[in-house]
Amino acid sequence: SQTIHQWPATLVQPVGSPLSLECTVEGTSNPNLYWYRQAAGRGLQLLFYSVGIGQISSEVPQNLSASRPQDRQFILSSKKLLLSDSGFYLCAWRPLTDTQYFGPGTRLTVL
Amino acid sequence: SQQGEEDPQALSIQEGENATMNCSYKTSINNLQWYRQNSGRGLVHLILIRSNEREKHSGRLRVTLDTSKKSSSLLITASRAADTASYFCAKHNNNDMRFGAGTRLTVKP
Repeated sequence: SQTIHQWPATLVQPVGSPLSLECTVEGTSNPNLYWYRQAAGRGLQLLFYSVGIGQISSEVPQNLSASRPQDRQFILSSKKLLLSDSGFYLCAWRPLTDTQYFGPGTRLTVL
Repeated sequence: SQQGEEDPQALSIQEGENATMNCSYKTSINNLQWYRQNSGRGLVHLILIRSNEREKHSGRLRVTLDTSKKSSSLLITASRAADTASYFCAKHNNNDMRFGAGTRLTVKP
């Protein structure tokens, strides 16, 4: 069976510090991968998606970036965090069917 | 911009009552999906309805889709306290999925 992992589960970082969130999927190959951000009490905002290694589509211009160094690994990064980067970050993958499967999320607080 | 806007934003009902949530969208879709999110957790897929379908059922869930009005509804029948969660609709088109702001459902025991 397939599983999706995200870490860390929670993170508190100062403004201006770098960020690296990791997402890995097990039990599948060549999945579509997605990064979403959810502000408190709000819906999901699509940040990036990837259809293959090294292929990243950015949906919202901001100080975040994404990379896919391996087939089942998706990384969300920032060189300098802003207060507005605080939120709940969700990674998701989609197999050949249309359903998305979400990871447990990372709660990021920027102080 | 967000696609798939739900209403109401919040809904509070008594256990045993039915809950109806609505979703509207702006552009064409391949399918529309409903997800559930418990507080502070990831989203869980509930049901998918394709653009050529009008109604689907899954247990106590019933979803309708009206492509002429670009709207969908999710009905939860005989609600339970455990149904308390946020419910999101997502418009799926090719490689991306667009979520709305969600409906916060509270079912009181």
